[in-house]
Amino acid sequence: GEDVEQSLFLSVREGDSSVINCTYTDSSSTYLYWYKQEPGAGLQLLTYIFSNMDMKQDQRLTVLLNKKDKHLSLRIADTQTGDSAIYFCAESLTGTASKLTFGTGTRLQVTL
Amino acid sequence: DTGVSQDPRHKITKRGQNVTFRCDPISEHNRLYWYRQTLGQGPEFLTYFQNEAQLEKSRLLSDRFSAERPKGSFSTLEIQRTEQGDSAMYLCASSLAQGRAEAFFGQGTRLTVV
Repeated sequence: GEDVEQSLFLSVREGDSSVINCTYTDSSSTYLYWYKQEPGAGLQLLTYIFSNMDMKQDQRLTVLLNKKDKHLSLRIADTQTGDSAIYFCAESLTGTASKLTFGTGTRLQVTL
Repeated sequence: DTGVSQDPRHKITKRGQNVTFRCDPISEHNRLYWYRQTLGQGPEFLTYFQNEAQLEKSRLLSDRFSAERPKGSFSTLEIQRTEQGDSAMYLCASSLAQGRAEAFFGQGTRLTVV
């Protein structure tokens, strides 16, 4: 079955790196995504990774995928106060964007 | 094109009333999705369309919910006889059916049933 789990809260200091973790149970996931949600707003697509990749880097964002352990992480380098938000990982089972199964979200708090 | 657009942004309604929300996807996207997000949770899939065809509906979508996409462009989501448990953020997303993996979300419609 499909189930995506995340820790609820992470606090980091401005300038440090943040690492947000996610585990999923469906080994047939083809794409895994990270979305950002600010208060009262919709979801902003940050990045995604295809299941045959181990790593993807995009500016300050690095995604690591461990298929064996079904573990996905998002690293944000040089975290800024504007990065404070809720981060959702999501999985898709088909080759292109189809219905997504989301985790419960990790609230990132960036302190000065 | 500025992205996925949803209207209204906020809706307050009395229990038992019907409400309708609209979603305008990114113009070249032929897939359109509806999700529901309750407080403190991730979005949950409700239904999706490819062009005008509704291809999948979640068990979350009770008989009081109906979605349409009559011309394969904008979509509407109607909730009849609203209940307090329907209070949530309703999110719309769109994507291309083939070749690209990204789904883009609108700002959502927040429904409050009083």
